[in-house]
Amino acid sequence: GAGVSQSPSNKVTEKGKDVELRCDPISGHTALYWYRQSLGQGLEFLIYFQGNSAPDKSGLPSDRFSAERTGGSVSTLTIQRTQQEDSAVYLCASSQGQLADYGYTFGSGTRLTVV
Amino acid sequence: GDSVTQMEGPVTLSEEAFLTINCTYTATGYPSLFWYVQYPGEGLQLLLKATKADDKGSNKGFEATYRKETTSFHLEKGSVQVSDSAVYFCALWGSNYKLTFGKGTLLTVNP
Repeated sequence: GAGVSQSPSNKVTEKGKDVELRCDPISGHTALYWYRQSLGQGLEFLIYFQGNSAPDKSGLPSDRFSAERTGGSVSTLTIQRTQQEDSAVYLCASSQGQLADYGYTFGSGTRLTVV
Repeated sequence: GDSVTQMEGPVTLSEEAFLTINCTYTATGYPSLFWYVQYPGEGLQLLLKATKADDKGSNKGFEATYRKETTSFHLEKGSVQVSDSAVYFCALWGSNYKLTFGKGTLLTVNP
């Protein structure tokens, strides 16, 4: 597609429920990143995919968070047993190659609210 | 590890005022440096970048110079407009192949 697409754009869920957030990167972009944006915390790195592999999962805050990528394209971020502190905007970005040359393209994000 | 520190906001200016948003970084090696902008209700967009020392990135009237000696990448614009109101993020890409961001600076420009 023309840009990075994320769905849903907004999600309200009850504490304890599971949620799935979807990212559709730009076609041909091999690198895919998930970040979390919380008020006053800036952008927090969660996980990085190169193709379908995730060489860096160091940013996932707990084992309730997991992510996968299939076909070198779509990625899903799953949060199990959601907690109120999970409320944030979850951003996905993709990149064609060496970041210094191409930069990231970000999606508009999914705003998650846990009530 | 890599880190980015940028001036805390919010910053409020009148139209046509001069803008500086300070950014300093800590990194091993020779990182590439970026400024991203997030307009209200939109995703992050790359504003400008610099990949080596003394490079100047520029776009839409904004400029930033990569200063290795002071580990800084301050964002400047000579005359801001209301449409520049947004959150600005400084970021670096170092040896660990991911962008590390500052906490963001909210800029509000009043007419």
